[in-house]
Amino acid sequence: QVQLQESGPGLVKPSGTLSLTCGVSGDSVSTNNWWSWVRQPPEKGLEWIGEISYSGYTKYNPSLKSRITILLDKPKNQFSLILTSVTAADTAVYYCARHTGRTFEYWGQGTLVTVSS
Amino acid sequence: QSALTQPRSVSGSPGQSVTISCTGTSSDVGGYDFVSWYQHSPGKAPKFMIYDVSKRPSGVPDRFSGSKSGNTASLTISGLQAEDEAEYYCCSYAGDFYVFGTGTKVTVL
Repeated sequence: QVQLQESGPGLVKPSGTLSLTCGVSGDSVSTNNWWSWVRQPPEKGLEWIGEISYSGYTKYNPSLKSRITILLDKPKNQFSLILTSVTAADTAVYYCARHTGRTFEYWGQGTLVTVSS
Repeated sequence: QSALTQPRSVSGSPGQSVTISCTGTSSDVGGYDFVSWYQHSPGKAPKFMIYDVSKRPSGVPDRFSGSKSGNTASLTISGLQAEDEAEYYCCSYAGDFYVFGTGTKVTVL
């Protein structure tokens, strides 16, 4: 069974950098899938952030592209999200997911990140 | 890019059918047959219910069905059950990125 687990600080200061990691078990990040990040701000809907392929090719949400980096760590079987210059609008539950290219098939439980001083 | 438009809420009694619409543009929903639907309950991970507009993965009851016409995709839940009460989101490929819908709360009366 494929499982994903987000980890990282739950509180980030405004103008700071948000860094999250998604650990994968039951599958290898080297398989032919995309590894994605999705977030949900409080009382709002889901928003696709971006994803990375098994070969390291990335796709980013155009509205966030200038602030995002997604990295793949094959030896540790995990991938990560880096979001710079955060504001209160970046407060959200952040999910990682395995994307087949057609559907977000497996999801982590999500982790709440609050941007506040 | 803007989120796909969904009704804020729909409701029905057990056994009834409800349909959730998901309206986009020719650059997303209307342009590709890569629409998927997700069921999301509070505190849980989203669960995919439909992919490629109308395909249902194993384990998802056949009460759930998807369709598309032009720039609007739809999810129909037939024979509504109490366990179907949740938030539902559509998602569409939009040419090198993905866009989710605004979300619809399904209430079982």
